[in-house]
Amino acid sequence: SQQGEEDPQALSIQEGENATMNCSYKTSINNLQWYRQNSGRGLVHLILIRSNEREKHSGRLRVTLDTSKKSSSLLITASRAADTASYFCATHGNTDKLIFGTGTRLQVFP
Amino acid sequence: KAGVTQTPRYLIKTRGQQVTLSCSPISGHRSVSWYQQTPGQGLQFLFEYFSETQRNKGNFPGRFSGRQFSNSRSEMNVSTLELGDSALYLCASRPASSNNEQFFGPGTRLTVL
Repeated sequence: SQQGEEDPQALSIQEGENATMNCSYKTSINNLQWYRQNSGRGLVHLILIRSNEREKHSGRLRVTLDTSKKSSSLLITASRAADTASYFCATHGNTDKLIFGTGTRLQVFP
Repeated sequence: KAGVTQTPRYLIKTRGQQVTLSCSPISGHRSVSWYQQTPGQGLQFLFEYFSETQRNKGNFPGRFSGRQFSNSRSEMNVSTLELGDSALYLCASRPASSNNEQFFGPGTRLTVL
């Protein structure tokens, strides 16, 4: 399968703590994207990082990309209960398809 | 701008039946993609349509088909439903010039009994 792997599969933290999720993929990419999904609903695009970028920030989100290791991480700082959701990485490569990872389920307790 | 809409939101069918799901993309978006999401297989790409032509296809049997109309609205059809087709079907649209950032609809939850 081309699907990427994410770890951990599930993560539980307290409000105010940071959450880090990792994504590994298999093929060469043009860019890597992170999406959030609340309770089996549609996905929301969070951030995109191009293959020639190493780090990107957006508000409380920080994404890193290491193309030599074919891996990326998403850091959510100062988490809130509203951040509770599933987070997916998705790679965009030469096939022009988005290939999603297996997802990390994040639970933030108030 | 209105977001991506999908109808119906929930659907219950029995094995052997067929089903048609509908997706209206964001105004101006000409690309529509479909994904199947199940607990076991995760998010899997079904197909993408652009200007009424299928541009990309995932690894699904021929029972899964789709089409796109001149107004960019898209439908997907699943014939001879199987229990394993129970899933959340997500539609996403994007502008032609994007880096493949997708805008997702809320999904259609299909249950096959």
